[in-house]
Amino acid sequence: AQSVSQHNHHVILSEAASLELGCNYSYGGTVNLFWYVQYPGQHLQLLLKYFSGDPLVKGIKGFEAEFIKSKFSFNLRKPSVQWSDTAEYFCAGQMDNQGGKLIFGQGTELSVKP
Amino acid sequence: DAGVTQSPTHLIKTRGQQVTLRCSPISGHKSVSWYQQVLGQGPQFIFQYYEKEERGRGNFPDRFSARQFPNYSSELNVNALLLGDSALYLCASSLLRHNEQFFGPGTRLTVL
Repeated sequence: AQSVSQHNHHVILSEAASLELGCNYSYGGTVNLFWYVQYPGQHLQLLLKYFSGDPLVKGIKGFEAEFIKSKFSFNLRKPSVQWSDTAEYFCAGQMDNQGGKLIFGQGTELSVKP
Repeated sequence: DAGVTQSPTHLIKTRGQQVTLRCSPISGHKSVSWYQQVLGQGPQFIFQYYEKEERGRGNFPDRFSARQFPNYSSELNVNALLLGDSALYLCASSLLRHNEQFFGPGTRLTVL
C-alpha cells in the first residue's frame, strides 16, 4: 500500500541547533511531496512543495527540503531553529495514481527550548 | 485574501445523530478535499470534489457523504454518528485536482 512515514515522533532541540526531519514514501511512480506545519492553536500551513525539477526546494521561514528519488525520501531541514518553530510537522505525498489525494505521515512534534 | 473557511468551529453530538459540516474554498479554487484528523495522527483523506463531482474517496464507511455546490463550496455529512467519529475535520482547497492544498481551521466534532 502507498504510504508516507516520518521517522521521529517527537524531537527536542535547543535554539540555534540544526534540524532535520525524516520523511519516506512508498510508491514507485511520480509523486508530489509537501511539508505542512501546524503551530499550536493554528491550522495546517504549507511550508514547501516539490513537483519536479530541482530536488532542493526552499520554503517559508528558512526551511528547505531535498527530494532523493533513489531513497524515496523528502527530508526537511533548517540550519538554525528558533523557539517559534515549535510546532507539529507533517510530510505528505500526492501519488499520480491517486488523483489529488494527500497521504500524510503521522507527524513529528518539534519542541525548541529557548 | 480570505483563506479556506469552515463552519461550525466546534460541534457536540450524541451517538446516532447526523452532522453537516461546511467549507468555503479560496476564491478561484475549484477543488475541495475533506480529511479527518484524530489526535496524534496525520490527516486521513475522506473525499475530493472537483467541478462538483466526486473525484476520490478514502476508506470511510457509507455513513460519510459529501457534495460540492456550483459556487464550489462543499458540505460533509456524517450519519449515525459513532464515538469513533470524534475528530478534527479538515477541509482543503486547491486550484485544480493535483495542486497544493490549502487547509481551513477545521471543525472539532465531539460525539458523546
